[in-house]
Amino acid sequence: SQQGEEDPQALSIQEGENATMNCSYKTSINNLQWYRQNSGRGLVHLILIRSNEREKHSGRLRVTLDTSKKSSSLLITASRAADTASYFCATDGGTSYGKLTFGQGTILTVHP
Amino acid sequence: DTEVTQTPKHLVMGMTNKKSLKCEQHMGHRAMYWYKQKAKKPPELMFVYSYEKLSINESVPSRFSPECPNSSLLNLHLHALQPEDSALYLCASSQTRVTGELFFGEGSRLTVL
Repeated sequence: SQQGEEDPQALSIQEGENATMNCSYKTSINNLQWYRQNSGRGLVHLILIRSNEREKHSGRLRVTLDTSKKSSSLLITASRAADTASYFCATDGGTSYGKLTFGQGTILTVHP
Repeated sequence: DTEVTQTPKHLVMGMTNKKSLKCEQHMGHRAMYWYKQKAKKPPELMFVYSYEKLSINESVPSRFSPECPNSSLLNLHLHALQPEDSALYLCASSQTRVTGELFFGEGSRLTVL
């Protein structure tokens, strides 16, 4: 079954607004990661949160993790047009094998 | 140098052709990955190499053949592909299998006619 289901599938906002994306997963994890992908390009790692952490910040990004609900959220504050991209959560299934499974992704569009 | 380089960027091949995708990293990473991504879908893991040995094969058809000649290079040999194999093929690397963060290349867009 697919680890990491994201919500919403698409999000359209104005520049300066905040964007929140949610990710749910099914199995245990060691860590959960978020990646960004500009159209047709490679993925860029944004942030990694470990299973014993509840919140993590990096610049305008804030990630929360609730292992009891098997869910995570990514908040982008003061969004910019350059933030327009697809955002994926990725989980390791609680193993150390290097098997990272990506969620379905949220397509974020930020209008200038 | 925090870059993963993939060549070619675009590849068009017929179903009877043999071609290869190449991936190179000089970050000293010891784990390398191939992912396949169809349009509007998430990347799907194909293979994982750890210390130049194949450690995960996600039941990928034998028409895809990976090779890791050394710790910096990863190839994906393609033979007798089907049109449904058309996709973006992404290479990634990480320090080791367990360190988490993946560094991705820009991908090779493959079209099978």
